[in-house]
Amino acid sequence: QKEVEQDPGPLSVPEGAIVSLNCTYSNSAFQYFMWYRQYSRKGPELLMYTYSSGNKEDGRFTAQVDKSSKYISLFIRDSQPSDSATYLCAMSPRSNDYKLSFGAGTTVTVRA
Amino acid sequence: NAGVTQTPKFRVLKTGQSMTLLCAQDMNHEYMYWYRQDPGMGLRLIHYSVGEGTTAKGEVPDGYNVSRLKKQNFLLGLESAAPSQTSVYFCASIQATSGRAYTDTQYFGPGTRLTVL
Repeated sequence: QKEVEQDPGPLSVPEGAIVSLNCTYSNSAFQYFMWYRQYSRKGPELLMYTYSSGNKEDGRFTAQVDKSSKYISLFIRDSQPSDSATYLCAMSPRSNDYKLSFGAGTTVTVRA
Repeated sequence: NAGVTQTPKFRVLKTGQSMTLLCAQDMNHEYMYWYRQDPGMGLRLIHYSVGEGTTAKGEVPDGYNVSRLKKQNFLLGLESAAPSQTSVYFCASIQATSGRAYTDTQYFGPGTRLTVL
């Protein structure tokens, strides 16, 4: 069983819809959670990060962490065609542990 | 400032051939990483380096070797390529000065698409 599970999709939504992405994990030591966005044929780029449980909002993006359920989510409101990408979750057990555990990534297409 | 560059962008090898992938960064970053990305598997860490002259194994190191003779370069070698090494390879670098892995951005290169026949 992989440490981090993420449904690869693909997910296709109309423009303006809310996109909901999630990851589950098995390692209870994970405390730091990140979301990376990867456009086609490009390297991933850091989108958002959260620490421990709770919500974090950044513009149209909201990240949620539920450590009791070992479940994290990313919501994209008012989705745009430019949001079409693969979204990868990543996790780390310690703040200074730079070896991240990545999910498989979910491919999202926002239709104009 | 080119960021992280990878050479080559594409390569086709025959089983048993060897090759070296070059990663270069001009941001004076301490840490560098080599990942492979396969469908349904996400990014898996092959080897990494926390400074010039240092290397360490990641999650899937078998069949690969690395060297970091200069701070700005991180080389990934395949001594005897196998079809299972067909993948997209990404290099990444990070400054790692804050001690907070979740805020320090990993800068990724554009990737190298390798096919082993």
